[in-house]
Order: sequence, then C-alpha cells, then structure tokens
Amino acid sequence: KAGVTQTPRYLIKTRGQQVTLSCSPISGHRSVSWYQQTPGQGLQFLFEYFSETQRNKGNFPGRFSGRQFSNSRSEMNVSTLELGDSALYLCASSLLGSRLAGLANTGELFFGEGSRLTVL
Amino acid sequence: TQLLEQSPQFLSIQEGENLTVYCNSSSVFSSLQWYRQEPGEGPVLLVTVVTGGEVKKLKRLTFQFGDARKDSSLHITAAQPGDTGLYLCAGSNSGYALNFGKGTSLLVTP
Repeated sequence: KAGVTQTPRYLIKTRGQQVTLSCSPISGHRSVSWYQQTPGQGLQFLFEYFSETQRNKGNFPGRFSGRQFSNSRSEMNVSTLELGDSALYLCASSLLGSRLAGLANTGELFFGEGSRLTVL
Repeated sequence: TQLLEQSPQFLSIQEGENLTVYCNSSSVFSSLQWYRQEPGEGPVLLVTVVTGGEVKKLKRLTFQFGDARKDSSLHITAAQPGDTGLYLCAGSNSGYALNFGKGTSLLVTP
C-alpha cells in the first residue's frame, strides 16, 4: 500500500514569509503527527491530529500550526519564518487510536520522507 | 517532557565489528521503539519493546528493554555497511506522543 506522502520535498523561503506543508497518511490511518528534525535538537514533536482534532501538542511557539481534514490529510503552517526554522519536517501516520489498532497497538509511526525547509 | 539520552552520539566502525548503542531516561515508559533513518528518508521502525527485561532479536540486531523500563540497548553483531544510518529510540506512555532521543549516527566502512 502507498506510504506517507509529503509535499513539497524541498523549499527555500526568506525570513518573515510563511510556509504550508502537506502530508497524506497511509490509507486507513487517522492519526497524523508532525516532527521537526535538526542536527542540534534531533526529532522534536510538534503536534498530533486525530479525526480532525489536535490531540497532542509539543512545545513550539504559536507560529507553528496545523490542521487535519476529513480525509485524514494534514497540513502544517509556519508563519513569520525565522532562520532557526530551517529543518527537516517529518510527518508520520499511525493506527493509534483507531479501532482497527486494538489494545496491542503501541503506536508504530510510519514516516514520510520529509519536507526540507531552508530559511534564508 | 521525558528526555531520552542516547549514546554514543557518533560511531564509526569497520565491517565485521560489534557495537552497542544505549538509550537512557529517568522516566518510565510503557513501550520503547527503535527506528533507523537513512539519509534523505524518514525513520523506519525496527522494533517495539513493551515488557521490562524483554529481549528481541532481528537478524544481527538484539534489542533489550531494561527491567525498570527506563532504558534500552541495541547491539549489532558483525556490522555491515548496510547498517549505516541514524538510530533513534523513542519512548511512549499510553501510546501517545513519542519522545525521541537525538540518535546515534553509525557509519560502517568496508
């Protein structure tokens, strides 16, 4: 089955601009999580959506926001970009919380290839 | 935030050598996962451990979950160049919001 698809794969923005990243989860997965990955901080959790509701949120400023649509596709937006926002943004989907998962589900994440954002 | 410390941060070895990487925390986790990430790709799950003291083997990789469910180790026997990548551990409680360590970057040279 098709994996997690993220678009765009690469993008370059300048400070002050905003950016929107898109993620299409694996069919049947209703949980979508977003992570920021940088060499210095590693993988940091941004937020998680399930059935169009934000269920968990990491410790990021309000410039970082997201949403999920009824078909489980998700977008994240970063406004007023800063140099430090340059990173690989990873989306992951899972069966977590789905009745298909069962009690044994431990939340395996299926990651996309990421969107590489460079802020100049 | 439940911090996961991974060590070593970098590891460069020759093909055929054995190695162990560690994942430690002061927090207890209900489950712990190990992922491997190759350049230009997202992390891929290797294993999930859920029981204290549990040992799982995946070909040449052996994973162990500490008795107190606060730490884990990954041992690779006879490393191969294909094992090169970033190894990440991630802990979870009740299956929500995985917390990742910063990873161990492994380079295996022929």
